[in-house]
Amino acid sequence: GAGVSQSPSNKVTEKGKDVELRCDPISGHTALYWYRQRLGQGLEFLIYFQGNSAPDKSGLPSDRFSAERTGESVSTLTIQRTQQEDSAVYLCASSLWTGLPQYFGPGTRLTVL
Amino acid sequence: GQQLNQSPQSMFIQEGEDVSMNCTSSSIFNTWLWYKQDPGEGPVLLIALYKAGELTSNGRLTAQFGITRKDSFLNISASIPSDVGIYFCAGPAGGGADGLTFGKGTHLIIQP
Repeated sequence: GAGVSQSPSNKVTEKGKDVELRCDPISGHTALYWYRQRLGQGLEFLIYFQGNSAPDKSGLPSDRFSAERTGESVSTLTIQRTQQEDSAVYLCASSLWTGLPQYFGPGTRLTVL
Repeated sequence: GQQLNQSPQSMFIQEGEDVSMNCTSSSIFNTWLWYKQDPGEGPVLLIALYKAGELTSNGRLTAQFGITRKDSFLNISASIPSDVGIYFCAGPAGGGADGLTFGKGTHLIIQP
């Protein structure tokens, strides 16, 4: 497709379970970003991938959060032992290269009961 | 990381009115981006600014990169119902992080 896609669009889970969120960036985009958006708030940067370089994990809120990306394709954000405060919309963005404007996917709405 | 302050937090206007919102920072930004987010969607890029003093238009939208590099504004002329949404300013997070830092948004509500 032409834009960034994310799956699932909605995820409801029980506290303590692990979840995996997927992002398909725009084809040819080398940079990929994950953000978290709590209700009524702006976006918080989580993690960034650029090509095969080591990811910038400076925004990850705890060691329960991790992400992987294979080459310049799909990325997966994993949250282990989910907590209620993890409830948010998780947005993925990609850009052609670092420093260029980022284009966002529709997000995954995560609800932890 | 750097923080962005957006104002106003929300705006209630009549269709056809012009809109002005701004974004300020305590530190210098080299890039300003303006995004619009509709309910249930990801933010959509409206305008990107790369140079102090730059004034850029996109249809009825105009944005400026402040001379001090610590502020930016976004104007919307002759508002229409589809302008409803949340407008975010964003810039490089700084502090070694590669992501963007976002303001908390201006919620635009248009009364027909």
